[in-house]
Amino acid sequence: EVQLVESGGGLVQPGGSLRLSCVASGFTFSGHPMHWVRQTPGKGLVWVSRIDGTGLHITYAESVKGRFTVSRDNARNTLYLQMNTLRAEDTAVYYCVRDLSTLDYWGQGTLVTVSS
Amino acid sequence: DVVMTQSPLSLPVALGQPASISCRSSQSLVHSNGNTYLNWFQQRPGQSPRRLIYEVSNRDSGVPDRFSGSGSGTDFTLEISRVEAEDVGVYYCMQSTHWPPYTFGQGTKLEIK
Repeated sequence: EVQLVESGGGLVQPGGSLRLSCVASGFTFSGHPMHWVRQTPGKGLVWVSRIDGTGLHITYAESVKGRFTVSRDNARNTLYLQMNTLRAEDTAVYYCVRDLSTLDYWGQGTLVTVSS
Repeated sequence: DVVMTQSPLSLPVALGQPASISCRSSQSLVHSNGNTYLNWFQQRPGQSPRRLIYEVSNRDSGVPDRFSGSGSGTDFTLEISRVEAEDVGVYYCMQSTHWPPYTFGQGTKLEIK
């Protein structure tokens, strides 16, 4: 059974940092690109970042470029999202998503709240 | 960026009746390889999104055959032949032809009338 379990969300002040993790199981993690997608009540679903199976090819949404860093540890079946210089508008539920013929399986999400 | 526009944004449907959701893209979603990467997701209340349809009309494993996708170019449709109670939720289209970024529609909220 495919499982994606995110963690690391929480309350952080503007300008602060947070690191999200996503542990994968039930499939060959290194064989799939992975994504982070966030969801806010006001703006729906917004794609954040994609990393290929090797970890060498990475793309970001313009809104997070230079502030967020995605990485993966295939030996630990884990995807990461390092978020720096956080802003109020980064407040959202962050989902880890597997790529199989594009985005397919989603984790349960972790809530990030940026507020003073 | 490709803008995805869904309609309607709210869809009340009686049980057993059909439902149809439209999704339009700001540019053609035909990839240079000839494929069209238009996908549909369902998000039930309190749950994560779940992919229903990929590449316009391919149903994912476990998706009931009352769900079907169609369309081409810039105009796409998700149809539910007979709505059931478990179909309540928000439906999103998403394009993965012209990335980055991948872009989603605003979502269509389906409710039982």
